[in-house]
Amino acid sequence: GENVEQHPSTLSVQEGDSAVIKCTYSDSASNYFPWYKQELGKRPQLIIDIRSNVGEKKDQRIAVTLNKTAKHFSLHITETQPEDSAVYFCAASTAGDSSYKLIFGSGTRLLVRP
Amino acid sequence: DGGITQSPKYLFRKEGQNVTLSCEQNLNHDAMYWYRQDPGQGLRLIYYSQIVNDFQKGDIAEGYSVSREKKESFPLTVTSAQKNPTAFYLCASSMQLAGVLDEQFFGPGTRLTVL
Repeated sequence: GENVEQHPSTLSVQEGDSAVIKCTYSDSASNYFPWYKQELGKRPQLIIDIRSNVGEKKDQRIAVTLNKTAKHFSLHITETQPEDSAVYFCAASTAGDSSYKLIFGSGTRLLVRP
Repeated sequence: DGGITQSPKYLFRKEGQNVTLSCEQNLNHDAMYWYRQDPGQGLRLIYYSQIVNDFQKGDIAEGYSVSREKKESFPLTVTSAQKNPTAFYLCASSMQLAGVLDEQFFGPGTRLTVL
């Protein structure tokens, strides 16, 4: 079946440094790639998403890049702050039996040290 | 808060019992989803539905059942056939037009524990 691999599983950075999380996907027909942030015990919340007709998207300190040829996409967080500490999930769309769903990566636990 | 609710927040079940988790949304979304999350792991799709009275199995449907009688509601039943049901269950909904996925909004989750 289709899958999404996410690396690293844990990431520790100093406050103010940048953090990069990488994902690869297997379905060449995937066209939607969201990133979710989940704080402990809370629901996942969308932080940024990108569609396959765009190579890069930025929203303040957060950016996502997409390489369709290599089937890679990455999340970049600049000037990290302690409140960025959370688990981040990438996902890619895939088509089931004439219906569409997301496949999630296994998550990256980001710790921002003050 | 996003217009999607789940109940109860915590649920305890004895072995051999069926339990039903509620999910309701007032966002007028067509698609609804159920995910299971185990500690330190990602989200695994149990069932999903794009329209009323229709649903599809996800990656881990065994031991679960759903119904979609109303657009707003997508309850999940965890049956006694599910061997290891202790987990955090998340419901989500999204718009879906002509096969184009949109943002999924998640409910607050139900934490199920088997005693």
